[in-house]
Amino acid sequence: DQQVKQNSPSLSVQEGRISILNCDYTNSMFDYFLWYKKYPAEGPTFLISISSIKDKNEDGRFTVFLNKSAKHLSLHIVPSQPGDSAVYFCAVPSGAGSYQLTFGKGTKLSVIP
Amino acid sequence: EAQVTQNPRYLITVTGKKLTVTCSQNMNHEYMSWYRQDPGLGLRQIYYSMNVEVTDKGDVPEGYKVSRKEKRNFPLILESPSPNQTSLYFCASSYNEKLFFGSGTQLSVL
Repeated sequence: DQQVKQNSPSLSVQEGRISILNCDYTNSMFDYFLWYKKYPAEGPTFLISISSIKDKNEDGRFTVFLNKSAKHLSLHIVPSQPGDSAVYFCAVPSGAGSYQLTFGKGTKLSVIP
Repeated sequence: EAQVTQNPRYLITVTGKKLTVTCSQNMNHEYMSWYRQDPGLGLRQIYYSMNVEVTDKGDVPEGYKVSRKEKRNFPLILESPSPNQTSLYFCASSYNEKLFFGSGTQLSVL
């Protein structure tokens, strides 16, 4: 059974600074881990993922780090922009099927101009 | 344009009145799923379907039904809605782990 914890319900960051969002999971059997981003009145959209064989994946201003021994993911946004203000969900395979994901409760990021 | 379309966007109903939320995708994805989002609880899966005529329960299936008679459509049915089903619902489809979500249906059951 997979559990995913995002312990910070909210985070405020000044524009231009780094945003760090954290995620812990319990079952590390799977091959990939993902982050989704959600704006109000829209559905979540895929942001970035990382394979379990890597410890870092970078896409522009977004970098995801994976620490398998600690069962911990983090998403870094540098530099943070006001348009990054959204809810970020960590998602981890839950094992029931190849596309089954367990989502964390989300972290609401506010980037202050 | 590749998309997942849910209807309606907003729905207010009363306890016990059957309703259906439709979901359609134009990407020929085999996998489709329904989630509900509640404050403090994140996204929880209701039902999913790996292919036509194949459906299975997610984490919170009680009070819901689904059907998958054709690949593009995956309706969510509430036979007798109750107030605890007031929530924001999302349909999603995929051909891999990267889900495509619809824009959501805000349901209020009075």
